[in-house]
Amino acid sequence: EVQLLESGGGLVQPGGSLRLSCAASGFTFSIFDMNWVRQAPGKGLEWVSSITVGDTPYYVDSVKDRFTISRDNSKSTLYLQMNSLRADDTAVYYCAKGFSVDSWGQGTLVTVSS
Amino acid sequence: DIQMTQSPSSLSASAGDRVTITCRASQGISNYLAWFQQKPGKAPKTLIYATSSLQSGVPSRFSGSSSGTDFTLTISSLQPEDFATYYCQQYYTYPQTFGQGTRVEIK
Repeated sequence: EVQLLESGGGLVQPGGSLRLSCAASGFTFSIFDMNWVRQAPGKGLEWVSSITVGDTPYYVDSVKDRFTISRDNSKSTLYLQMNSLRADDTAVYYCAKGFSVDSWGQGTLVTVSS
Repeated sequence: DIQMTQSPSSLSASAGDRVTITCRASQGISNYLAWFQQKPGKAPKTLIYATSSLQSGVPSRFSGSSSGTDFTLTISSLQPEDFATYYCQQYYTYPQTFGQGTRVEIK
């Protein structure tokens, strides 16, 4: 059974940093593209970033130069390093598996507030 | 960026009704279109990928189709557990983009 377990969310002040992790199990992590998708309170889904099996990253414009996606295939773990956080980054962040997403984690809440 | 225009934004329906939700892409996306279901406080769930392929374990009352840049999710006979919000997503190119969602409510 595929499992994706996000962690690392929390309350952070504007301008601060957080690193999200997504521990994957139940599949061969190294052969799948992986993604981060977020949802602001009461809003719709927003794609944030993807990383391919070849380690090529992609980002939505609003997080470029602030967020960095990475993966550690030896640990079957996906990461999102988030710097220079802003209030509009407040959201639940979901880890999602695959170029065509077939599985989702339960999400981790990031709150950016002073 | 490719815009995904989803309609309607909400609808009211009764159990047993046939429900159709549409998503229009601002340019061609081939068949790189997925549909997701989300219930309040829960993570999204994948229903359909590649326009019309049913994700494993998803009931056959859900189906997807397309005509050009118009994509459709159909629920043939709405069940009580289907009341939720539905999103389309194109993954043809980056940035991937979602529709704004359709909330399906009980009439």
